[in-house]
Amino acid sequence: NAGVIQTPRHKVTGKGQEATLWCEPISGHSAVFWYRQTIVQGLEFLTYFRNQAPIDDSGMPKERFSAQMPNQSHSTLKIQSTQPQDSAVYLCASSLDPGKVFFGKGTRLTVV
Amino acid sequence: QQQVRQSPQSLTVWEGETAILNCSYEDSTFDYFPWYHQFPGESPALLIAIRPVSNKKEDGRFTIFFNKREKKFSLHIADSQPGDSATYFCAARDSNYQLIWGSGTKLIIKP
Repeated sequence: NAGVIQTPRHKVTGKGQEATLWCEPISGHSAVFWYRQTIVQGLEFLTYFRNQAPIDDSGMPKERFSAQMPNQSHSTLKIQSTQPQDSAVYLCASSLDPGKVFFGKGTRLTVV
Repeated sequence: QQQVRQSPQSLTVWEGETAILNCSYEDSTFDYFPWYHQFPGESPALLIAIRPVSNKKEDGRFTIFFNKREKKFSLHIADSQPGDSATYFCAARDSNYQLIWGSGTKLIIKP
């Protein structure tokens, strides 16, 4: 069990460019979560899938952020027209037992 | 209201002392209360959790005390060690099976 796999680990984009972050949840886990973590804002919920269906995207900035889960083995978070304030560590997590969430190592996004 | 309040924001204790981290909530439908710890440069990881049918859960030096009536729960770390220094997050599971997170406590254990 390799755990939750996130790629890339680090990404640098220019302001206005698009960034796509990938997540492979633990096999068999039915729930996938995306979070964003910064020193200032702490751990922020973005969106949540259960059995590939979007359940709650209340934390997603509506205009430029989107997330998909096309199959049970991966999810993507896409940020269009990246801005410096999007710089953060983006964490993907998965769970089988609701509440017991396993996090990936994160993708550190830097927008310059 | 779906919110979990955590205090203090930061805490420093001496090695060997008991560190106490506190959380409170308002939504009585929350049914599972985990604590996660996060070491610098790493991701959060589950430490210990409790369900509201219990008022205490122990795992080694880590104990959760749960007060359903007051909607409060706390994490006690006994005989704290420098290796316990980390950020600790409490959380609560809502009826949508989603975790509502506290804001975190940065714990420093001084040798």
